[in-house]
Amino acid sequence: NAGVMQNPRHLVRRRGQEARLRCSPMKGHSHVYWYRQLPEEGLKFMVYLQKENIIDESGMPKERFSAEFPKEGPSILRIQQVVRGDSAAYFCASSPDRHEQYFGPGTRLTVT
Amino acid sequence: KQEVTQIPAALSVPEGENLVLNCSFTDSAIYNLQWFRQDPGKGLTSLLLIQSSQREQTSGRLNASLDKSSGRSTLYIAASQPGDSATYLCAAINQAGTALIFGKGTTLSVSS
Repeated sequence: NAGVMQNPRHLVRRRGQEARLRCSPMKGHSHVYWYRQLPEEGLKFMVYLQKENIIDESGMPKERFSAEFPKEGPSILRIQQVVRGDSAAYFCASSPDRHEQYFGPGTRLTVT
Repeated sequence: KQEVTQIPAALSVPEGENLVLNCSFTDSAIYNLQWFRQDPGKGLTSLLLIQSSQREQTSGRLNASLDKSSGRSTLYIAASQPGDSATYLCAAINQAGTALIFGKGTTLSVSS
């Protein structure tokens, strides 16, 4: 069973561009979580999704950030009009049952 | 609001030493508690999951305990090895099962 896959692993965007981060959960996992790790800070929860539904987005910034988990295909975290403060490592996790979460390798976003 | 604290922030020990990493949380109404390992520039590897009804879990040289009444968990590493050098993260899963709340981690360095 392949682990959680994230791509790209590294992403460079200029200020004002859009960033799209993809996450493929482990086979059989229908729960997906996104977390952000800012430099020198801990991991912070952003959003929790099940297939086609956002369950908890209490950690998402109110503007420019959105997430989806369609019926088919990977979960997408989308950041519009990126700013330098968005530079961080973005981790996706999946779970079969809302208990143990399994993390992907992360996408490191750099905004220039 | 759940807060998770880990002490010490950093720890250096010689190879072969037994050590304890501490984690405390403010809201005892947690669902589960999970310990992770993170290597520099890498993702998170799940080490142990303790469900709220359990008091401890063991895997190899690792033993994690949970005391909900005092709001504490400890990760015990026996006979430490240089390969154990990494950052260890403690995370409490909220009652809704929607988010992991992370501590800032303990960075462990084991010298040979």
